[in-house]
Amino acid sequence: QVQLKESGPGLVQPSQTLSLTCTVSGFSLTSNSVHWVRQPPGKGLEWVGAIWSGGSTDYNSALKSRLSISRDTSKSQVFLKMNSLQTEDTAIYFCTRSGGGYWGQGVMVTVSS
Amino acid sequence: DVVMTQTPVSLSVSLGGQTSISCRSSQSLVHSDGNTYLYWYLQKPGQSPQLLIYKVSNRFSGVPDRFSGSGSGTDFTLKISRVEPEDLGVYYCYQGTHYPPTFGGGTKLELK
Repeated sequence: QVQLKESGPGLVQPSQTLSLTCTVSGFSLTSNSVHWVRQPPGKGLEWVGAIWSGGSTDYNSALKSRLSISRDTSKSQVFLKMNSLQTEDTAIYFCTRSGGGYWGQGVMVTVSS
Repeated sequence: DVVMTQTPVSLSVSLGGQTSISCRSSQSLVHSDGNTYLYWYLQKPGQSPQLLIYKVSNRFSGVPDRFSGSGSGTDFTLKISRVEPEDLGVYYCYQGTHYPPTFGGGTKLELK
């Protein structure tokens, strides 16, 4: 059974770094890519970035300078790190498996002092 | 980036009725491998998006045949027939052909 679950702090101060973890089960990270997608409150969906089965990464160009995605295959975990957070980064952050059919429940991140 | 334009922004439908949503891309979504990576999602309030259609016209596992996708190149349509209460929410199209992947702005389906 394929499952993804995001975890991380709900509140981050402006200019600080966000660290999120996506823990997966039911599939291998070495055979599937994992993507991050975010959704500001009341708004649409935005692709953030991805880590491919071979370990390479792709990032949204608007976020690239602040973003890093990595993984630990032994723990079936994918990590998102975003620095210099701004209030505009307030959003629900989802992780999703390649193919688009499986998503985590999302984690709400609020950037506020 | 490829711009995905969905119309209409909102839609009112009667239970049991039929409706359709349009999605247009700013570039052809035909990949060099011959596939067209156009997807349709439904997001219900407070939930994660759920995949309905992948690669233009293929229903994801468990999706009822009331949902159908069609189109090619830059023009795509999602049709919903015999609308049920569980179909209400926001529909998004999504392209994975060109990087970065991009979503349409969404179409909110409401009851008339």
